[in-house]
Amino acid sequence: AQTVTQSQPEMSVQEAETVTLSCTYDTSENNYYLFWYKQPPSRQMILVIRQEAYKQQNATENRFSVNFQKAAKSFSLKISDSQLGDTAMYFCAFMKHPTTGTYKYIFGTGTRLKVLA
Amino acid sequence: GAVVSQHPSRVICKSGTSVKIECRSLDFQATTMFWYRQFPKQSLMLMATSNEGSKATYEQGVEKDKFLINHASLTLSTLTVTSAHPEDSSFYICSAPQLRQGPYEQYFGPGTRLTVT
Repeated sequence: AQTVTQSQPEMSVQEAETVTLSCTYDTSENNYYLFWYKQPPSRQMILVIRQEAYKQQNATENRFSVNFQKAAKSFSLKISDSQLGDTAMYFCAFMKHPTTGTYKYIFGTGTRLKVLA
Repeated sequence: GAVVSQHPSRVICKSGTSVKIECRSLDFQATTMFWYRQFPKQSLMLMATSNEGSKATYEQGVEKDKFLINHASLTLSTLTVTSAHPEDSSFYICSAPQLRQGPYEQYFGPGTRLTVT
């Protein structure tokens, strides 16, 4: 069975600084997808970034980038130039390729990030 | 991105009554939808997978007779909490994956806060 681990329950960062959130996972699958979601106080889940396992290039979305290490089963999220609006709960999610027709996510326990003014 | 709505956003009901929560995909067809439950400061717990035109698939430990799921159309899934008890009070979130191409990311509704008195 797949598992996703986020070892940092809480983190804080100064505004404009850079922070990295860690995520490790365990799977025997070779083809899968990884995601980072943000859940601000409104509790709306927002997709931050996604990565296909077959792509070696790390995904980037503006100030957000990932360090995807497939052999180490690691998928960390780097937030550059942190903004107050980045304050939220961040969840790492794993989904194996849906060859069997299932699109279920396995979520990590989350990291609560607070950006300080 | 695609939009998923939920209704109601908040509901208060008396113990012993039933309450229905709707999840709609507004601009895409969703043959599959997911229902999650989230306790404060915790991760999302998958309750069940809703499949259009067939029975829902429940996760282990979820009472199917208590949490009735109906996926009557390609854009609507409903979750009915039957004979609600205070311990059913929680935040319920639905999601639907886009199925056009990988990585099949899920789009989430804004959630429904259920309070059972």
